[in-house]
Amino acid sequence: AQSVTQPDIHITVSEGASLELRCNYSYGATPYLFWYVQSPGQGLQLLLKYFSGDTLVQGIKGFEAEFKRSQSSFNLRKPSVHWSDAAEYFCAVGDLYGNKLVFGAGTILRVKS
Amino acid sequence: EAGVTQSPTHLIKTRGQQATLRCSPISGHTSVYWYQQALGLGLQFLLWYDEGEERNRGNFPPRFSGRQFPNYSSELNVNALELEDSALYLCASPTASLRTEAFFGQGTRLTVV
Repeated sequence: AQSVTQPDIHITVSEGASLELRCNYSYGATPYLFWYVQSPGQGLQLLLKYFSGDTLVQGIKGFEAEFKRSQSSFNLRKPSVHWSDAAEYFCAVGDLYGNKLVFGAGTILRVKS
Repeated sequence: EAGVTQSPTHLIKTRGQQATLRCSPISGHTSVYWYQQALGLGLQFLLWYDEGEERNRGNFPPRFSGRQFPNYSSELNVNALELEDSALYLCASPTASLRTEAFFGQGTRLTVV
């Protein structure tokens, strides 16, 4: 069965520091991978997606992610975090057979000034 | 282009009652996903409607049901409400060309007391 693991429940970084959020997936075929962000009490906003091609994908708000097939990973990065980046981040894999998104448990990002 | 709209924003019900949640997808999109986001349980896939038909269902009891109307809007009904049904219910509107890329609404916060 498809699954997504986000090993870090909480991460705290200083404003201006770099960020990496980890995501590992389990999927039998070529994965369709996504990162979403959720601010408190809000819906999910798509940050970036990977379908094929270049394994380094750029997203909105200065985020990028790198697909590594050998490690079954799709980690999210940002070179310099802003206080407004504090939110919960979800990694997801597209299950083409079930036609649904399977989400990880999420990582809560705290930014300290 | 209007995004995914959900109503109501908040809903408070008593245990045993029924709740009805509504969703309008992005104009031109014919599918709707429903997800439950309960505290500590992440995003759980509930239902997928496409072209008026239920196409897939998550691991939820039959008291979770819904329908999709000819204009592609959707309704989620939860009967015999239980306390553990308290959650944020998110509706998503997947793209037509790649069904697993989805745009999310702001959600309905259901509280069962």
